[in-house]
Amino acid sequence: QKEVEQNSGPLSVPEGAIASLNCTYSDRGSQSFFWYRQYSGKSPELIMFIYSNGDKEDGRFTAQLNKASQYVSLLIRDSQPSDSATYLCAATGTASKLTFGTGTRLQVTL
Amino acid sequence: EAQVTQNPRYLITVTGKKLTVTCSQNMNHEYMSWYRQDPGLGLRQIYYSMNVEVTDKGDVPEGYKVSRKEKRNFPLILESPSPNQTSLYFCASSTGTAPNSPLHFGNGTRLTVT
Repeated sequence: QKEVEQNSGPLSVPEGAIASLNCTYSDRGSQSFFWYRQYSGKSPELIMFIYSNGDKEDGRFTAQLNKASQYVSLLIRDSQPSDSATYLCAATGTASKLTFGTGTRLQVTL
Repeated sequence: EAQVTQNPRYLITVTGKKLTVTCSQNMNHEYMSWYRQDPGLGLRQIYYSMNVEVTDKGDVPEGYKVSRKEKRNFPLILESPSPNQTSLYFCASSTGTAPNSPLHFGNGTRLTVT
């Protein structure tokens, strides 16, 4: 079982719609969670981080954390073609080890 | 500008020829790390360093060496590269509370070993 799991996609959403990206993790002691965006051939860049249960909003992005169910999600409102990228979920586990998922490819269609 | 700088961006080499990929950050970060990224496998940590003169193995350290003699620099050394080390490599840094703090990534080094 992978420690951080994501559906590889592609997840296709029309422009203007809400994109919902999901991530599950196996280490129940994980404390810190991150979403990175990676364009093809480029380096990952931080979108959001969340430490507490609940929602955290930043502009068009909302991160949701549910520690009881061990999942993290990223919502992108009013999706734009420029949001088309691979989104990496990462979690810091009990051994203070940061583990990345393999990423979900998002395609925003016109 | 705050950044992590990796060099070179692209490197093609032959099996067994020692190489070094440099990484430097100007943010006074204590934590630095190297990752490799392969299709279907995601980002995997090679080595990391919590501070000067402190380095530890990540998930895939075999065939790699690192050093941290200065806070800003964290070079990755491949003493005898092999084709299975062909990959996209990223250096990253973070503040002292890492890995609970966000990572800042370099632009990557695409390495091909023939």
